[in-house]
Amino acid sequence: EPEVTQTPSHQVTQMGQEVILRCVPISNHLYFYWYRQILGQKVEFLVSFYNNEISEKSEIFDDQFSVERPDGSNFTLKIRSTKLEDSAMYFCASSDGRSAPLHFGNGTRLTVT
Amino acid sequence: AQKVTQAQTEISVVEKEDVTLDCVYETRDTTYYLFWYKQPPSGELVFLIRRNSFDEQNEISGRYSWNFQKSTSSFNFTITASQVVDSAVYFCALSEAWIQGAQKLVFGQGTRLTINP
Repeated sequence: EPEVTQTPSHQVTQMGQEVILRCVPISNHLYFYWYRQILGQKVEFLVSFYNNEISEKSEIFDDQFSVERPDGSNFTLKIRSTKLEDSAMYFCASSDGRSAPLHFGNGTRLTVT
Repeated sequence: AQKVTQAQTEISVVEKEDVTLDCVYETRDTTYYLFWYKQPPSGELVFLIRRNSFDEQNEISGRYSWNFQKSTSSFNFTITASQVVDSAVYFCALSEAWIQGAQKLVFGQGTRLTINP
């Protein structure tokens, strides 16, 4: 069964550094998302992306965050200057239709030290 | 604003017992979707079910069943004859009506289910 893949599975970075989290959504999907989960807490919406542009973003998704679909397969989340509070599990998701269920990747655990 | 409440933080049962995970939601939308996701110890989020607001039929899939009641804004999840492999954190989520191509899920806090042998 096709799946969303995320790399790396775990990333450790120092505060102030830039990180790029990578995702390969399911190939025929058109809608892409990033969610995050701070350890032990609920999963929170960050951003949705459709037709090569952001369709909605949350208050968490400030100027430090950006997303890109650089080619036909990858979908990236960049954090320009990481803070300690950015430490979380970041999930990429994709769906093939407006109301189709989201399929999540296995997540990237980001640790900011 | 939308909100999902999973009042049970942790549940622990013995294998083969039935267990129900509660989910209560709040929304002003008349059209919405409800979801359950499973997060096993390995960390991924596994889609279990989606239900739209116009379909109040209960659903059964093997040992899993879901009870959607609009009158009480609840979407409860029951596991029958639980097994150790069911141990995970279970999240209930709500998605508002489609707006500008975005399906934004609002998750509950999750219920950690432990099935003991």
